[in-house]
Amino acid sequence: GAVVSQHPSWVICKSGTSVKIECRSLDFQATTMFWYRQFPKQSLMLMATSNEGSKATYEQGVEKDKFLINHASLTLSTLTVTSAHPEDSSFYICSARGLAGVGSGEQFFGPGTRLTVL
Amino acid sequence: KQEVTQIPAALSVPEGENLVLNCSFTDSAIYNLQWFRQDPGKGLTSLLLIQSSQREQTSGRLNASLDKSSGRSTLYIAASQPGDSATYLCAANNQAGTALIFGKGTTLSVSS
Repeated sequence: GAVVSQHPSWVICKSGTSVKIECRSLDFQATTMFWYRQFPKQSLMLMATSNEGSKATYEQGVEKDKFLINHASLTLSTLTVTSAHPEDSSFYICSARGLAGVGSGEQFFGPGTRLTVL
Repeated sequence: KQEVTQIPAALSVPEGENLVLNCSFTDSAIYNLQWFRQDPGKGLTSLLLIQSSQREQTSGRLNASLDKSSGRSTLYIAASQPGDSATYLCAANNQAGTALIFGKGTTLSVSS
C-alpha cells in the first residue's frame, strides 16, 4: 500500500524557535496533502490543505503566517511552525492523496510528529 | 459543512463480546467514509474505507456499514480481544480531493 512518512517523529524546541516538519509520499505522487493537528485526548483537526505548486488553503482560525506550508513537489510538503510557543505543542499529522487511480481517492496518513515547545 | 459525531465516547467490554461503534454525519453526500484505529501516542491505522457507491466493507473481525440516507455508519467488531483496545475514529469527506473530517472518536477498552 501507499506509504507516507513524516520527519522528525518527535521534536522538542525552545519557545520562540521555528520547527520544520516534513511529509513525504514514498511510493506515489501526491497532488494534495493535508495537515492536521491533534491535542491530547482530542480528535484530529484540519489545519490546511496543500496542493503542489500553489498556496495552501488554511482553515478558519489557523494563522497562515505562523504555520508556513510549502508543497514544492509531488512527494514532499513541509509545515514550519514559526516562533513556536508552548500552546503549539501538539501532535501534527499529515495525509496525502494520490493522483487519479491511486487508491481511489483514499488518503494515506503519516505516523505523526509530536512537537513539544518548552 | 460536514460534521461527524461518534457515540459512545468510551466503551468498556469483556473479552469475547461483539460490539458496535456508531458514527453519524450531517451531510449525506459522502465521497469516502473511513474508520481508523489510534493507539495512545501513535498515528492512525486505516481499518476500512467505504466509498460512496458501497454499503459495507469487511476485514477479518471488522465490518463497517454505510447508510447515507440516515447519515450513519457503524463499525462492528466481532469477538473482541484485549488487543482491540484503542481509540476508533470515523472520518468522511464529501468530494474527491477534500480533507477528511474526523469525529472525536470512541475509546474502547476490552478486558480479559
